[in-house]
Amino acid sequence: QKEVEQNSGPLSVPEGAIASLNCTYSDRGSQSFFWYRQYSGKSPELIMFIYSNGDKEDGRFTAQLNKASQYVSLLIRDSQPSDSATYLCAVNGDMRFGAGTRLTVKP
Amino acid sequence: DGGITQSPKYLFRKEGQNVTLSCEQNLNHDAMYWYRQDPGQGLRLIYYSQIVNDFQKGDIAEGYSVSREKKESFPLTVTSAQKNPTAFYLCASIGDRAPNTEAFFGQGTRLTVV
Repeated sequence: QKEVEQNSGPLSVPEGAIASLNCTYSDRGSQSFFWYRQYSGKSPELIMFIYSNGDKEDGRFTAQLNKASQYVSLLIRDSQPSDSATYLCAVNGDMRFGAGTRLTVKP
Repeated sequence: DGGITQSPKYLFRKEGQNVTLSCEQNLNHDAMYWYRQDPGQGLRLIYYSQIVNDFQKGDIAEGYSVSREKKESFPLTVTSAQKNPTAFYLCASIGDRAPNTEAFFGQGTRLTVV
């Protein structure tokens, strides 16, 4: 069975710090990778999509993909209290999700 | 939510009854997905469809059924065979909007079976 693994956390960082979230996947044929943010009681929202090895930056968010090592990570720079949420990683066309990592940014 | 609509937002049903959750999108997306989320848990894939008239089982398809007769619509039926149907159900669609890929979730349906 294809698996997507994330550290469930919780992860706590101080305001202004870099938050680092990691995701590993078992299917070596996986091509595309998604990072979502989910606030409590709300639907997930897409924040990053990546399919090429290397880094992809969008504002304070950077996704890093390493297909050889089968991991994708999300860095959040200058973390803000409003970034406190659960971050979900999803893989490929069948969009299987990891369990999510709960991030708390403390003022 | 970005052109994808789930209805109703809240649904109450008696045990043993089938119930159908609606998911409609006007984004021209080919791929649509259904997930179940239990409190404090991640999203578990129920069914997905990458093209009209075709769909695949996810990890927890037992007790659920779907259809994809139109590109815009992907309804989910929770049957009486589903042993613990009370949960938050989320529908998503994904498509290409060059040069990016876009993905949206509906607002979800909270199903309570009493």
